[in-house]
Amino acid sequence: DAGVTQSPTHLIKTRGQQVTLRCSPKSGHDTVSWYQQALGQGPQFIFQYYEEEERQRGNFPDRFSGHQFPNYSSELNVNALLLGDSALYLCASSLGPSGEAEQPQHFGDGTRLSIL
Amino acid sequence: AQKVTQAQTEISVVEKEDVTLDCVYETRDTTYYLFWYKQPPSGELVFLIRRNSFDEQNEISGRYSWNFQKSTSSFNFTITASQVVDSAVYFCALTVADRGSTLGRLYFGRGTQLTVWP
Repeated sequence: DAGVTQSPTHLIKTRGQQVTLRCSPKSGHDTVSWYQQALGQGPQFIFQYYEEEERQRGNFPDRFSGHQFPNYSSELNVNALLLGDSALYLCASSLGPSGEAEQPQHFGDGTRLSIL
Repeated sequence: AQKVTQAQTEISVVEKEDVTLDCVYETRDTTYYLFWYKQPPSGELVFLIRRNSFDEQNEISGRYSWNFQKSTSSFNFTITASQVVDSAVYFCALTVADRGSTLGRLYFGRGTQLTVWP
């Protein structure tokens, strides 16, 4: 049973560039959430996708955008990268966005993004 | 607004000692869920336990136990007879069951780095 998979594992970019991170949810899950974890901090919610739509969003600028595909996989795009975007980006999957708040989200290993 | 506070940034213990990780939460919702996750150096967040706001029974799973007290808004985690493999960052998290905009969103504390020395 495949868990949540993320790619790439590591990425180095320079300021102003754009980046795309990818996530495949755990088998049977249809909802994907993205979190940003800065060094020494807890993960911060970016947004959640269900049925190919952004269902809710955290306090992140429009430079952060996403997409969910019919197979439930998801992409996180960040434009005009800033030094402060350096972080571990975690993808989490779950079954259904509502009524299942009690279900634990399953996380991938993350993508470590470094901005030079 | 939801908030989770883990006041302990780092804890160091020697193997076989017991250790308690503290978690205090804030929410105005009456139905909510609390979680503990473990994050080893690899980065993946590993789910440990879930507790809903209506179940204040303490839970024990092997060397792990959890103490949930609504009166003090705390959900503390104890590791008995700690082992080197327990070394990791531990996060407490909260989500609410309100079918509004925050449903399913996890609010994390800043985490506690636990180091267990042999």
